[in-house]
Amino acid sequence: SAVISQKPSRDICQRGTSLTIQCQVDSQVTMMFWYRQQPGQSLTLIATANQGSEATYESGFVIDKFPISRPNLTFSTLTVSNMSPEDSSIYLCSAVPGDTEAFFGQGTRLTVV
Amino acid sequence: GQNIDQPTEMTATEGAIVQINCTYQTSGFNGLFWYQQHAGEAPTFLSYNVLDGLEEKGRFSSFLSRSKGYSYLLLKELQMKDSASYLCAVKDSNYQLIWGAGTKLIIKP
Repeated sequence: SAVISQKPSRDICQRGTSLTIQCQVDSQVTMMFWYRQQPGQSLTLIATANQGSEATYESGFVIDKFPISRPNLTFSTLTVSNMSPEDSSIYLCSAVPGDTEAFFGQGTRLTVV
Repeated sequence: GQNIDQPTEMTATEGAIVQINCTYQTSGFNGLFWYQQHAGEAPTFLSYNVLDGLEEKGRFSSFLSRSKGYSYLLLKELQMKDSASYLCAVKDSNYQLIWGAGTKLIIKP
């Protein structure tokens, strides 16, 4: 299993600014994942973060907008850059420590005003 | 393309049984997962099926038929706290999780 600490849990930000979300895992994991979830909808994968290499982004998401860092096997950050109200959402980090289930951070509820 | 279908919403009565279905079409299969997500919280793991058949865990059971691309989550003796969204996810040939849109389960007294 894995325990993932994610912060901040929520934030209200001005448009045009940037917010960095952090996730700390209590064990070493090869891959970490960043998701976005709109209210009442399922998870949309933003990118996969591997340690020591650039993140792999899904269609519709770009590095300039969502830069990701993965400095070691237990930590990752996602930055939401130049925010607009359309970026208001819940952002979740996830890790799969073994070969089975994914574990999630508590989520970051972002509101852009 | 890859696709996972599950009902958008279901309603059931406290104490009853409910079955939430999930059908999938993915490039490869390396397991199917069910997660529970309460409003405003992160998903939590419920069950994992990689072989055909029924996996039972307390009040929750999950069934898989790989030949039919089909799974269901069975919840027995429903409690009000079971009101949540239930997400079906399949791990594809690249070991990437493909998520369904989730089923919102409403429990009525």
